Amino acid sequence: GPKVLQIPSHQIIDMGQMVTLNCDPVSNHLYFYWYKQILGQQMEFLVNFYNGKVMEKSKLFKDQFSVERPDGSYFTLKIQPTALEDSAVYFCASSSSGNTLYFGEGSRLIVV
Amino acid sequence: QQQVRQSPQSLTVWEGETAILNCSYEDSTFDYFPWYHQFPGESPALLIAIRPVSNKKEDGRFTIFFNKREKKFSLHIADSQPGDSATYFCAASNSGGSNYKLTFGKGTLLTVTP
Repeated sequence: GPKVLQIPSHQIIDMGQMVTLNCDPVSNHLYFYWYKQILGQQMEFLVNFYNGKVMEKSKLFKDQFSVERPDGSYFTLKIQPTALEDSAVYFCASSSSGNTLYFGEGSRLIVV
Repeated sequence: QQQVRQSPQSLTVWEGETAILNCSYEDSTFDYFPWYHQFPGESPALLIAIRPVSNKKEDGRFTIFFNKREKKFSLHIADSQPGDSATYFCAASNSGGSNYKLTFGKGTLLTVTP
């Protein structure tokens, strides 16, 4: 199926430092999402985009989080400063219709 | 407030049995109900989905049963195989134009024992 690419696959970072997670969605998909998953549990919605514009941010989207689309293609999720509770797998996903989401492999973040 | 509730949290069945996973939702505007599965270390992937115009959707061994009145839907996995062992997430969304987003349940860890 369509490939969504995420970089890095995993990162260990000291608490308080900044981390940037990158995602390259499927090229013609207008819908884009970031989700957070802790320990293989619930996929928690963070933020979504439509046609490059932020549509909604959840309560989990703390002030320390920011999202960008630097050059109109890939997306970034930045956390600054990081906290211990930010440790999770962050999945991005894209969709052409808003229904079927194609997820990337995830970026496993460990904050120590 | 959890909008999509999923049960059981974990389920173990013997190979060949039918596994039944349940979900319920609160928001009556939801009109799309997919199931995703996730194998350890991998990303979630769409398994099967249903819209409320139907009360049943089949795809091979996988069937969704939908009850709009009770706001419930379930996934039945017939003739369960060890390879079906994974975490299954139900989800829901509404046709909100440009603001589509899926709300996921907490997941059911399914183990199929040979």
